[in-house]
Amino acid sequence: EDQVTQSPEALRLQEGESSSLNCSYTVSGLRGLFWYRQDPGKGPEFLFTLYSAGEEKEKERLKATLTKKESFLHITAPKPEDSATYLCAVPSRGGFQKLVFGTGTRLLVSP
Amino acid sequence: GAGVSQSPSNKVTEKGKDVELRCDPISGHTALYWYRQSLGQGLEFLIYFQGNSAPDKSGLPSDRFSAERTGGSVSTLTIQRTQQEDSAVYLCASNGGAGPYEQYFGPGTRLTVT
Repeated sequence: EDQVTQSPEALRLQEGESSSLNCSYTVSGLRGLFWYRQDPGKGPEFLFTLYSAGEEKEKERLKATLTKKESFLHITAPKPEDSATYLCAVPSRGGFQKLVFGTGTRLLVSP
Repeated sequence: GAGVSQSPSNKVTEKGKDVELRCDPISGHTALYWYRQSLGQGLEFLIYFQGNSAPDKSGLPSDRFSAERTGGSVSTLTIQRTQQEDSAVYLCASNGGAGPYEQYFGPGTRLTVT
């Protein structure tokens, strides 16, 4: 069964305190890994796509990396506006258009 | 440009009633998806439309759920005889290709069944 596990479930940081979020998956033959940000009451907002081990993508204070079994979302010197739930997803082996999502990491950055 | 839009944003209905949720995808996007997000759960795939092909309905939880897409654009998700366990946020997404491309989500419809 396709599974995506994210850790930690929740993370509280002080402004400027860097950290990393983890996404591990069991789907074989990975055909992409997606990171999204979701603010309360809104739909997920696309951040990154990673396709192969060793690939890295950056956007402002966020950097996503990918290995054969997991992905990390590194947050450098976060600001309060980075507070959100971060979701990762992979295409299902049953059809790459069906995304399997993790339950997310709720990030709170305090000033 | 305009993103994915959904209506209504909130819907409260009584158990046993039917509801219709609407999704308007990004113009030109050929693929449209419906997901459900329950409290504390990850997003759950429901159904996928690609162009004029038959939809992939493999994620629909019961035969009370159905969806259609008219003219390759707007989609309606219908839930018949709603149950309390149907309470969730229903999210629609679209993208422009048949590959494993990123999907762009609407704001969702929060459904509450009383």
